[in-house]
Amino acid sequence: DSGVTQTPKHLITATGQRVTLRCSPRSGDLSVYWYQQSLDQGLQFLIQYYNGEERAKGNILERFSAQQFPDLHSELNLSSLELGDSALYFCASSRQYGYTFGSGTRLTVV
Amino acid sequence: AQSVTQPDIHITVSEGASLELRCNYSYGATPYLFWYVQSPGQGLQLLLKYFSGDTLVQGIKGFEAEFKRSQSSFNLRKPSVHWSDAAEYFCAVAPGGAGNMLTFGGGTRLMVKP
Repeated sequence: DSGVTQTPKHLITATGQRVTLRCSPRSGDLSVYWYQQSLDQGLQFLIQYYNGEERAKGNILERFSAQQFPDLHSELNLSSLELGDSALYFCASSRQYGYTFGSGTRLTVV
Repeated sequence: AQSVTQPDIHITVSEGASLELRCNYSYGATPYLFWYVQSPGQGLQLLLKYFSGDTLVQGIKGFEAEFKRSQSSFNLRKPSVHWSDAAEYFCAVAPGGAGNMLTFGGGTRLMVKP
């Protein structure tokens, strides 16, 4: 157990639907990062939150959004899902000298 | 913008043989450097990291990596590979220090022959 918890582990949904992925960072970590891993794009940074505020944005689609709550857990919302959104979504949290990844949520859009 | 290149997409080695996985980065200053391993269907596990100081870094599972500033490289090595090392390996950089997002290389898939 890395200390970063992601739920659900697997998600199967239809095109056009909306899903929410959840991430609880390691205790004490203020930063949360979201990554998408797909076969054709590799590991792509989506977005970072630090203590509730958006800090950096990467290759995140407009259909995707995220937030970090006062208890520091984060949610990634994916809407109007397309087949190409099928991927493994990772959350990571960080402290001074390290990044810890969760086990990921595998999203399958059918 | 920073980038990370792992030139070898696939590598096959025999069990017991030595291993070197290559990683080159592009960044104006010395970034924080990492190697992660991902087993099939699993998350990313940190093998080792380099921030400063001794350029030869020891990690878990018998891995080590050497930072070479002149070559902008951070190659991962292991003297004797075990079958359980078969996995995908990712090099990553965090420019400007920890607290910034990681940029990953494309990964190298390692296969181990018995």
